[in-house]
Amino acid sequence: ETGVTQTPRHLVMGMTNKKSLKCEQHLGHNAMYWYKQSAKKPLELMFVYSLEERVENNSVPSRFSPECPNSSHLFLHLHTLQPEDSALYLCASSQALAASTDTQYFGPGTRLTVL
Amino acid sequence: ILNVEQSPQSLHVQEGDSTNFTCSFPSSNFYALHWYRWETAKSPEALFVMTLNGDEKKKGRISATLNTKEGYSYLYIKGSQPEDSATYLCAFVKGGATNKLIFGTGTLLAVQP
Repeated sequence: ETGVTQTPRHLVMGMTNKKSLKCEQHLGHNAMYWYKQSAKKPLELMFVYSLEERVENNSVPSRFSPECPNSSHLFLHLHTLQPEDSALYLCASSQALAASTDTQYFGPGTRLTVL
Repeated sequence: ILNVEQSPQSLHVQEGDSTNFTCSFPSSNFYALHWYRWETAKSPEALFVMTLNGDEKKKGRISATLNTKEGYSYLYIKGSQPEDSATYLCAFVKGGATNKLIFGTGTLLAVQP
């Protein structure tokens, strides 16, 4: 157990659906991250939040909308996705954003399939 | 574009074998290198964070070395066990870039009993 949980673990949705992925960290960390892993590709950083403020958006399409209501929770709202958005979505947290040697603690991911 | 390369892509060894794999990263503007171990259907788990050229870290039977001048890190596993089967990821952090990890595609290790 890394102290980072994600729900749901698996999600199948149609292209017209709206769904949300949830991440919760029980570590008292101040920075949270969303990553995407597509088949045969490295983990790609999507969004970074520090102290509930978004500090990075890595050219992610607007059909992905993150939300960080407090330092323990991070959501990824999904709408009108495309089949190519099918991937594993991982959440992570770290103590602080500024410390590049801080370990990031990952959740187990949500396996998303878009039909 | 920053590329982090890992080799080999996959590796099959017998229980008891020692093995090693490589992570290559840009040698300029280096700040830190992270190693993670990722078992199927679980969370990636941090192994090491390395920052200094010549650094060597060890955790049980797993160790790692770092050469920042030539841009590579080696991960070694001594006496592999079936429970070592996982994907091993490295992630590069460039100087001045906060805690933004740039990952390689990983090395998938399968240890057969």
